[in-house]
Amino acid sequence: KAGVTQTPRYLIKTRGQQVTLSCSPISGHRSVSWYQQTPGQGLQFLFEYFSETQRNKGNFPGRFSGRQFSNSRSEMNVSTLELGDSALYLCASSLGSNRLYEQYFGPGTRLTVT
Amino acid sequence: AQKVTQAQTEISVVEKEDVTLDCVYETRDTTYYLFWYKQPPSGELVFLIRRNSFDEQNEISGRYSWNFQKSTSSFNFTITASQVVDSAVYFCALSEQEGGNTPLVFGKGTRLSVIA
Repeated sequence: KAGVTQTPRYLIKTRGQQVTLSCSPISGHRSVSWYQQTPGQGLQFLFEYFSETQRNKGNFPGRFSGRQFSNSRSEMNVSTLELGDSALYLCASSLGSNRLYEQYFGPGTRLTVT
Repeated sequence: AQKVTQAQTEISVVEKEDVTLDCVYETRDTTYYLFWYKQPPSGELVFLIRRNSFDEQNEISGRYSWNFQKSTSSFNFTITASQVVDSAVYFCALSEQEGGNTPLVFGKGTRLSVIA
């Protein structure tokens, strides 16, 4: 069974640009969550989607947005990039949004903003 | 508000030593879940264990064991006879059930280095 895949794995962008990251969950999983990991703030929750609906949203500015498609694949977008957005962005999928379901994480997308 | 504290930033041990990673949590909810994840250098978070707040039994899985104590709000993780492959960053996380399972709140992580 294929794991969670994230594309691209590495990305370099310039301040002010926008970026879109993609996450393909494990087949059959309907819940996708996104996390940002930085050395200073650690792992922070961005958003969670279940069946194309946003279930939870973390404390991030409106520049961060996401969506989920009918095939459960998810994308997150960051507009007007800032240097502080440099981070490892991790996606996790699970069968459902209930925490009884194990969350499987992808390898992440490392975004560098210059 | 929920909070997870991993006071140990970095730990270094010699192979075959036992090591305990500490995790202290804060929550006002009576029903919650606690987790441990391992993040090897590849970056992918690997699920290790989930424990709900009503199950205080300790758990052992091979060289790994977990000690959950509600009285001290702690969920500590012990690796017995550590190996070089155990070198990674370990995260403790909490999710409250109130309101329908809140997102995971992670501690800052403990970087474990096992030296051969």
